[in-house]
Amino acid sequence: TQLLEQSPQFLSIQEGENLTVYCNSSSVFSSLQWYRQEPGEGPVLLVTVVTGGEVKKLKRLTFQFGDARKDSSLHITAAQPGDTGLYLCAGGGSETSGSRLTFGEGTQLTVNP
Amino acid sequence: SAVISQKPSRDICQRGTSLTIQCQVDSQVTMMFWYRQQPGQSLTLIATANQGSEATYESGFVIDKFPISRPNLTFSTLTVSNMSPEDSSIYLCSASTSGGLVARYFGPGTRLTVL
Repeated sequence: TQLLEQSPQFLSIQEGENLTVYCNSSSVFSSLQWYRQEPGEGPVLLVTVVTGGEVKKLKRLTFQFGDARKDSSLHITAAQPGDTGLYLCAGGGSETSGSRLTFGEGTQLTVNP
Repeated sequence: SAVISQKPSRDICQRGTSLTIQCQVDSQVTMMFWYRQQPGQSLTLIATANQGSEATYESGFVIDKFPISRPNLTFSTLTVSNMSPEDSSIYLCSASTSGGLVARYFGPGTRLTVL
């Protein structure tokens, strides 16, 4: 069973700080997605990365896909309380998973005002 | 894009009963999925709902316990049968508008508590 490991599992920071969340696997994925989920809602897709080494920016969020397509990171600059939520990475298109998404364990981020 | 609604949003059920969760998408989608999630934790895929044929179940999930229907390209149901407290969880419907890898949308979830 392939596994996507996220770290840290919990993160509590002050408004204005920067942070990085990591997503690592021993498997190669053809694509990797990042989601944010708030309480009582379903995950919302933030970004999809498909090319090794790819970097995508979404306002204060920067996403990177590793060169070998086994890992990814999410960096948030100047975090705000509205960034609070559960961040999930999900890999797809590996040899074993096919079209199914494999989700990481999640990172619960709390940004305190 | 696709907007997904689920009914009910939450329910409290007695052990041994069954609950059917409905998932409605506002547009035709290629693939629909059902997930289970404990609050604050990762998602576990239960099955892929196939339009016009039997669902494809993941390891550890069986049709007798989680029967799924998908009568058309916008609607699916998941039934949790003969419930026990271990079935208490959030059940999420998901849909993809492409071949499954690019865009994935989720419903708000159904929070199930089994007493």
